[in-house]
Amino acid sequence: NAGVTQTPKFQVLKTGQSMTLQCAQDMNHNSMYWYRQDPGMGLRLIYYSASEGTTDKGEVPNGYNVSRLNKREFSLRLESAAPSQTSVYFCASSNRDRDEQFFGPGTRLTVL
Amino acid sequence: RKEVEQDPGPFNVPEGATVAFNCTYSNSASQSFFWYRQDCRKEPKLLMSVYSSGNEDGRFTAQLNRASQYISLLIRDSKLSDSATYLCVVNFQSSYKLIFGSGTRLLVRP
Repeated sequence: NAGVTQTPKFQVLKTGQSMTLQCAQDMNHNSMYWYRQDPGMGLRLIYYSASEGTTDKGEVPNGYNVSRLNKREFSLRLESAAPSQTSVYFCASSNRDRDEQFFGPGTRLTVL
Repeated sequence: RKEVEQDPGPFNVPEGATVAFNCTYSNSASQSFFWYRQDCRKEPKLLMSVYSSGNEDGRFTAQLNRASQYISLLIRDSKLSDSATYLCVVNFQSSYKLIFGSGTRLLVRP
């Protein structure tokens, strides 16, 4: 089992460009999450999906959109990247809400 | 006040030492508690769940004090490989989400 996979691992964007971060899990988990991690800030929830077909905003959703494509895949889109979105992005999954979460390796994004 | 607070450290200890971290949480309705470990430039990984009665996994012991709203992690016989950031994680009863502390950094020196 690969667990949670994310692509790409690294990305550099210019201000205003768009991109989609991909996440997939092979643990048959129901819930999936997107976080960003900034120095000294800890992990902050951007969006989550409790089950296939549902998505909800987290703590810092502005500037992002998500799609729960199927049970396995949950993507995060930046429509018009800004320097403030420079961060490390982690995808995670869990069997149910409130259960322990399993994380992907992260995407390091720099917006110039 | 932050929902989950941790001392950022770093805690700098020699190999073989015992070290303890505390974490306080603000919501008394919290239900689930975890300790995660995060190595530099890596993803967080679950270290252990924290149960009401306390639990132990090898050199690691976790305790929950609901009355004072804190959880603790004790590491005995520290190894160089224990050097990492330890994240305290709490779930609130009325919420789907886990709240992550900013982490406590541990450095174990030879």
